[in-house]
Amino acid sequence: EVQVVESGGGLIQPGGSLRLACAASGFTVSTNHMSWVRQAPGKGLEWVSVIYSGGSTNYADSVKGRFTISRDNSKNTLYLQMNSLRAEDTAVYYCARESADHYYVDVWGKGTPVTVSS
Amino acid sequence: QLVLTQSPSASASLGASVKLTCTLSSGHSTYAIAWHQQQPEKGPRYLMKLNSDGSHSKGDGIPDRFSGSSSGAERYLTISSLQSEDEADYYCQTWATGIRVFGGGTKLTVL
Repeated sequence: EVQVVESGGGLIQPGGSLRLACAASGFTVSTNHMSWVRQAPGKGLEWVSVIYSGGSTNYADSVKGRFTISRDNSKNTLYLQMNSLRAEDTAVYYCARESADHYYVDVWGKGTPVTVSS
Repeated sequence: QLVLTQSPSASASLGASVKLTCTLSSGHSTYAIAWHQQQPEKGPRYLMKLNSDGSHSKGDGIPDRFSGSSSGAERYLTISSLQSEDEADYYCQTWATGIRVFGGGTKLTVL
């Protein structure tokens, strides 16, 4: 079964750091484009970052310079390193696989919540 | 700027049909989109990819009650024979080099 499972969320103080992980099964992370998407409480979906199968990356302006997406091919796992966290980063973070033919999500995880608060 | 616009809410009766709209910003009328469903307190689920010519490909296990169509810059999701479990938020998504864009979502209420 194709699935992704996020972990690593929690409560963190403003200015702190957190690393999210996304374990994939049923497919290979390194041969797919993988994204992180977040959803603030009561709000809609917001794209955060993508890592392409070739290894290049893109970020939303709201997180550029603070967040880093990466993957560990040996563990078939995607990561999101989040630094200099702000209250507005509070959200549920979803790991997502993108389709092989175009850049839309075709597999979603259940999400991991991140709360940035003192 | 690539923007997707959705009505915040829609409603329809149990057993009826509803057509949700996602509008692409000016200059982007040929873009394909994807539709996603998010039931209350759950993660999103991919429904379908929808092309500008109205052709679409659905995700695994998506019922035939869900279909897509296009007209100009508008992309539609039609749900027929509405069931209670269709009450959810529906998001459209598109993409361009280096970015992904989501619409604001439409909250569908099944009466």
